[in-house]
Amino acid sequence: NAGVMQNPRHLVRRRGQEARLRCSPMKGHSHVYWYRQLPEEGLKFMVYLQKENIIDESGMPKERFSAEFPKEGPSILRIQQVVRGDSAAYFCASCEFPTEAFFGQGTRLTVV
Amino acid sequence: GENVEQHPSTLSVQEGDSAVIKCTYSDSASNYFPWYKQELGKGPQLIIDIRSNVGEKKDQRIAVTLNKTAKHFSLHITETQPEDSAVYFCAARYEGNMLTFGGGTRLMVKP
Repeated sequence: NAGVMQNPRHLVRRRGQEARLRCSPMKGHSHVYWYRQLPEEGLKFMVYLQKENIIDESGMPKERFSAEFPKEGPSILRIQQVVRGDSAAYFCASCEFPTEAFFGQGTRLTVV
Repeated sequence: GENVEQHPSTLSVQEGDSAVIKCTYSDSASNYFPWYKQELGKGPQLIIDIRSNVGEKKDQRIAVTLNKTAKHFSLHITETQPEDSAVYFCAARYEGNMLTFGGGTRLMVKP
């Protein structure tokens, strides 16, 4: 049973470009969380999704950021018109209540 | 919403000593409390968790205690080894909600 898969592991984008981060949850999991981590800092909640539904997006900036988790395929975190401040590690975790939440290895986004 | 405080932010111990990390939470409805270990360049890895119907749980050198009345829980690592060096995060969740994390503790085990 494969774990949570995130790709790409590293992503470099120029300012103004779009970044697409993908997360395939563990088999059987229908809940996905996205977290952002700046260097030497903690995990900040961004968005919580269930298949085809956004449950809680209170941690996500209202502009330029969007997330989806379609019926088929991975969850996607999309950042439009990236700026230097978007540089961070983005982690997703999946779970199926009441089981534990498991994290992927993250995507490290660098905006140049 | 839930707020989780974690202390200390850094902890240095000698190999073989014990390490204790403490967390407090604000939402009395929270009923699930996991601990994650994050090594450099990797994603957080679940190491132990506890649910609100249990006061203590142990797995080899790692144990977690929960005091629901005081709304705090702690991670205990005994006989620390250099490979225990990492950043540790506590978290709290009410079923159906997202995990809220503490700020993390950087543990350094000196050989």
